Amino acid sequence: QTVVTQEPSLTVSPGGTVTLTCASSTGAVTSSYYPNWFQQKPGQAPRALIYSTSNKHSWTPARFSGSLLGGKAALTLSGVQPEDEAEYYCLLYYGGAHWVFGGGTKLTVL
Amino acid sequence: DVQLVESGGALVQPGRSLRLSCTASGFTFGDYAMNWVRQAPGKGLEWVGFIRSKGYGGTTEYAASVKDRFTISRDDSKSIAYLQMNTLKTEDTAVYYCSRMAVAGMRVDYWGQGSLVTVSS
Repeated sequence: QTVVTQEPSLTVSPGGTVTLTCASSTGAVTSSYYPNWFQQKPGQAPRALIYSTSNKHSWTPARFSGSLLGGKAALTLSGVQPEDEAEYYCLLYYGGAHWVFGGGTKLTVL
Repeated sequence: DVQLVESGGALVQPGRSLRLSCTASGFTFGDYAMNWVRQAPGKGLEWVGFIRSKGYGGTTEYAASVKDRFTISRDDSKSIAYLQMNTLKTEDTAVYYCSRMAVAGMRVDYWGQGSLVTVSS
């Protein structure tokens, strides 16, 4: 069974920079996994941030960026705002249209 | 504006069936694949399955946890995607979301607000 692993929790200060990662139990994450990233706040539906590794949606704030880093997919927030406090999920594509979510990272802005 | 609205969630007994609907507006529904994703109470997101657009064969794929019990279909004339859930188990209790996906770039973008399914006796 494929497992996608994210940091369970991270804390960042307002204005700071933080990188969230997304690792696959099958090996290095590449662009062929088409990493997507989502933000979810309590009681709300997920909101899409990044697709296909590093592409932003029209509504994605400029401070969010996606990349590949050390064999993982990564989401970097630069100049963190208090409203960025949320759960973040990555989603990887494993072929045959099978997708697997990571367990999520709870980001605290403190 | 793109909108996805799930409906059909309910309290249902184990072993029974339920069908959820995802009604889309604001875009050409037939041009997009549609995903179903669920979230058990206090847990993370779980991909359930997806249906391709007719242009890509209209075929479906499912997570192992629901394969052979759940069926996804679509009615492009009504802009609705369906999730038929059979032989429901208590562990199927979750908020069920539909989301839109463009195959080009494997872009998952818009999500519905979710529909709660509770499986309990």
